[in-house]
Amino acid sequence: DIQMTQSPSSLSASVGDRVTITCRASQSIRDHLNWYQQKPGKAPKLLIYATSTLQSGVPSRFSGSGSGTDFTLTISSLQPEDFATYFCQQSYIIPITFGQGTRLEIK
Amino acid sequence: QITLKESGPSVVKPTQTLTLTCTFSGFSLSTGGVGVGWIRQPPGEALEWLALIYWDDDERYSPSLKNRVTITKDTSKNQVVLTMTNVDPVDTATYYCVRLGRVLGSKSAFDIWGQGTMVTVSS
Repeated sequence: DIQMTQSPSSLSASVGDRVTITCRASQSIRDHLNWYQQKPGKAPKLLIYATSTLQSGVPSRFSGSGSGTDFTLTISSLQPEDFATYFCQQSYIIPITFGQGTRLEIK
Repeated sequence: QITLKESGPSVVKPTQTLTLTCTFSGFSLSTGGVGVGWIRQPPGEALEWLALIYWDDDERYSPSLKNRVTITKDTSKNQVVLTMTNVDPVDTATYYCVRLGRVLGSKSAFDIWGQGTMVTVSS
């Protein structure tokens, strides 16, 4: 199985901050990497697919990059509604695997 | 509008069989490239993919649960059913039904999620 490791596990930041979350795969997944946002009590929502393409309706302050084994999710200027948990997920090979999540909290 | 909704018991006893039904609308599971699957999330924990069934009847399972889980589809009813045998308290989680869509070329993502259903395994 491909292991997905996110860092940090949790992060405190302020509105307006630039934030970067990292996701590392245990082997190359090319660019088959997706990001999801989950708010408390809600289902996850697809944020970015294929490493860098924003899902429809996602604000442009979100961006993704990377390839192979190392990927990043960046939020350029945090907004109050961005405080949530973020998960990466590889769709390159079965079994599909997720990172453990990064909880983004208000400082 | 594409929606998926999970239904099933909220409490199951250990060793019993859990059956969850996903009823979806707004798309067809006979469309090429589309799949419907199940993902679970224990309270406060990460997401775990369980199973997928594709438009062409191909079934895929998480190796850790393969012997306990079965996924089936009824295209005419727009339903996908997950069956999990011999449940244990560690199977307590919110279970999500998800659509796997072709998002870019051969790449796929879980683009639509159901609201989830909480299942507690307890005697």
